[in-house]
Amino acid sequence: QVQLVQSGAEVKKPGASVKVSCKASGYTFTRYGINWVRQAPGQGLEWMGWISVYNGDTNYAPKLQGRVTMTADTSTSTAYMELRSLTSDDTALYYCARARRVEYFQHWGQGTLVTVSS
Amino acid sequence: DIQMTQSPSSLSASVGDRITITCRASQRISSYLNWYQVTPGKAPKLLIYVASSLQSGVPSRFSGSGSGTDFTLTISNLQPEDFATYYCQQSYDTPVTFGGGTKVDIK
Repeated sequence: QVQLVQSGAEVKKPGASVKVSCKASGYTFTRYGINWVRQAPGQGLEWMGWISVYNGDTNYAPKLQGRVTMTADTSTSTAYMELRSLTSDDTALYYCARARRVEYFQHWGQGTLVTVSS
Repeated sequence: DIQMTQSPSSLSASVGDRITITCRASQRISSYLNWYQVTPGKAPKLLIYVASSLQSGVPSRFSGSGSGTDFTLTISNLQPEDFATYYCQQSYDTPVTFGGGTKVDIK
C-alpha cells in the first residue's frame, strides 16, 4: 500500500531554515510527483508547491518563491521541502501528498509540525 | 490566483441530517474541483475528485456536483465520524488554491 512517512517535529528560531523529508513506499516513486501543503494553527490548507520526481521540475506557490526548495532523491524514494528565512507565520503542520501533478491528492503523509519561535 | 469561496464557514447538524456545503470559484474551472475532510490529528482525506467522482473507500453518503464556478458537497445521513472540517480545492491552474473550510459540528 502507498505510504508517505514524514520526518519528525522541528523547532526553529526566526531566520533559520527547516528541511522536511517525506519517504515514499508502496509504488514506483518516479511515476508520481509530490506536493507540499501546510496548515497553520487555526487556519486553512495552503498549497506550497509541487515537484516532478521524474525530472525534478518544480512549481512553487508565488508567495513562497525564493524561500522554498523542493527536491527528490530517487535512490531513497524520499522527497524534501526546505523553507528558509523562517518567521512565526511559518509555524504550521506540513504535509507531503502524492499526485501525478496537482490534479488531486489521494495519499498524504502524516504531517510534520514546524514551530518557529525565539 | 483563483479564489475559492466556501459557505457556510461553519454549521451545526445532527446525526442523520443531510447537509450541503457550497464552493464558488472566482473563474471557471471546468470540473477541476476536489473535496477533502480534515479531522484533528489526521492528514486530510480525499472525498471527491473532479467534482463528482467518489474516492475509493469513501461512503456513498458523500456526493459532489457542479461545474464551471459553482460546486456542492452533500453529506446524507450524517454520521458521528463526519463531524470535521471540509475544504474544496481547485486544480485547474497553479497555484492550487483551497477554500477557507467549513466546520461541521454537532448540534
